Amino acid sequence: DADVTQTPRNRITKTGKRIMLECSQTKGHDRMYWYRQDPGLGLRLIYYSFDVKDINKGEISDGYSVSRQAQAKFSLSLESAIPNQTALYFCATSDPGQYNEQFFGPGTRLTVL
Amino acid sequence: AQSVTQLDSQVPVFEEAPVELRCNYSSSVSVYLFWYVQYPNQGLQLLLKYLSGSTLVKGINGFEAEFNKSQTSFHLRKPSVHISDTAEYFCAVSGRGSQGNLIFGKGTKLSVKP
Repeated sequence: DADVTQTPRNRITKTGKRIMLECSQTKGHDRMYWYRQDPGLGLRLIYYSFDVKDINKGEISDGYSVSRQAQAKFSLSLESAIPNQTALYFCATSDPGQYNEQFFGPGTRLTVL
Repeated sequence: AQSVTQLDSQVPVFEEAPVELRCNYSSSVSVYLFWYVQYPNQGLQLLLKYLSGSTLVKGINGFEAEFNKSQTSFHLRKPSVHISDTAEYFCAVSGRGSQGNLIFGKGTKLSVKP
């Protein structure tokens, strides 16, 4: 089984809809991250969490919110989706004792019409 | 703060030819350096990492990278590529003692042609 899983893998939604992307991990890592990938822009950090009580904004947090329900679960919400949020979204985890190496989920492809 | 520049957005190469994907970084502190690979329709997986010690780092699938502190570079090389190496490659940097965030370059698409 995969160590970092994301659901759904693909999602098409309409402008203005609320949508939640979910991430679960079995690696036992405290740190979790959400990124978005756009062609030619690489990965940009949306939010990160160093433990259940610690949530931090990343480079591009506007229009997004997150919830850390447990050590193993970290959800990303788009309160009112807009077309320029169409992207590939990745969840990642890391262990502070592992030199900041991050482990990635398979990604969620989100299309906002 | 750190930043990463991948100097080539696309690199076409013929099968069995050597390849070098270039990465430069800037940082005011010592760093950890990483190369990740993303195959089509997949997530990112670690190719190799530089933490300390030997500046030549070997990774999976025959790739290697050399850390050059004076030139602030971490170029990725493979002496002979295969069709299956077609993918997007990302260089990433993290400051030692930082809060653990990785800063990614914008990626280099490697296309291996028969």
